[in-house]
Parts: sequence; structure tokens; C-alpha cells
Amino acid sequence: GNSVTQMEGPVTLSEEAFLTINCTYTATGYPSLFWYVQYPGEGLQLLLKATKADDKGSNKGFEATYRKETTSFHLEKGSVQVSDSAVYFCALGNQGGKLIFGQGTELSVKP
Amino acid sequence: NAGVTQTPKFRILKIGQSMTLQCTQDMNHNYMYWYRQDPGMGLKLIYYSVGAGITDKGEVPNGYNVSRSTTEDFPLRLELAAPSQTSVYFCASRKAEQETQYFGPGTRLLVL
Repeated sequence: GNSVTQMEGPVTLSEEAFLTINCTYTATGYPSLFWYVQYPGEGLQLLLKATKADDKGSNKGFEATYRKETTSFHLEKGSVQVSDSAVYFCALGNQGGKLIFGQGTELSVKP
Repeated sequence: NAGVTQTPKFRILKIGQSMTLQCTQDMNHNYMYWYRQDPGMGLKLIYYSVGAGITDKGEVPNGYNVSRSTTEDFPLRLELAAPSQTSVYFCASRKAEQETQYFGPGTRLLVL
């Protein structure tokens, strides 16, 4: 069945460092791919998405490119801020519009 | 719009007790979902609904029940609480023609 695998956390970075959170998927067909972010004490909110191969999703300085050849959707940001501290979830769209989530990666950014 | 709202925010239950987690959305979304989030495990789908009167099981439905009598509300019922149901529960909704799901703030449940 379809699945998502994320790099394990926690990830601790200094402010202005470069961020990469790896996400790979297994799927039949070409599902949409998503990154959701969960700030402390809150629900998940959509960060960005891509609906087909080679699409790049972007938002708030974060980017991710849908790579069919490597079945990946890695999240990147050039310069993280303390306010980016959160848990990041990679997800893929399954049949019937359901989402399959990775296990989440906690990011902590220190000043 | 308030979006997706959930009540209560936090609850402690004793083993064997029952409770209902409430979820309401004011976006007129057809699809609604219940997830549970366990530490380091991501989110697992419990139940979902594609519209009023229609519900279906997700990945981990055992020990839970749902109903969908209106478009706005999608309550989750725990009949006999067990320690394994200690988790954070999230409700989500989406439009039929879009894939993006909108999440509520969650309910933290502790079963002792």
C-alpha cells in the first residue's frame, strides 16, 4: 500500500541555518504530495503542496519539489527562524481524498 | 469563519468510561475526518465521512464510533475507554473538489 517515510527528528538548528527534511513515498500512480506544519499546541495546517511530477510547492520561504524519479518530496528552507520551530509532516493523497502521513519531524531552531 | 472547532481541549477518563469528542465545521465541507496522533507515529485515520448520513472506517476504527447527522457536525464516540486510546485526536474537513484538509486544534485525551 501507499506509505510515507520521513527523516527522524528532532532536528536542532541555529537561526539562519539551512533546513532540509527528507520525505520519500511509495505509491501507485501519481498522488498529490503535501507538507503540513503543527506549531506547539495547535492543529495541523497546510504549508505547501504539489500535485504532479516536477511541481514545486512553496510558502513562507519553504520549498519542496515533487521528484517522481526518486519518489521524494524533501522540504527545504534557506534560512530558518526561531518561529519555524514546529513539527513537520509529509503526506500523500490517497484514494478517496484520504491522507497518509509520515511520522513527523520535530524542528527546533535556537537563537 | 471559525473553521474546524473541537471540544473539549483536554479530558481525563477512567478505564471503561465513555465520552464523545465534538467536531464542528462552518465551511460547508462535505468530507470530514477523525485522526489520532500518537507520539512519533504521525496521524492515523480513525473514521471519515463523505457527507451527512455516510460514514466509513479508516485505518484504526476499533473502539470508536461516529455519526454524521448534519454537514457541520461529526462527533467521535468512545464507548469503553482503554489506556490504548490515550492520544491526541484531530478532526479535519475538506471540500469535495479539493484535496487540502483543514484541521481543528485537537483534543488531548488521557485514559487512566
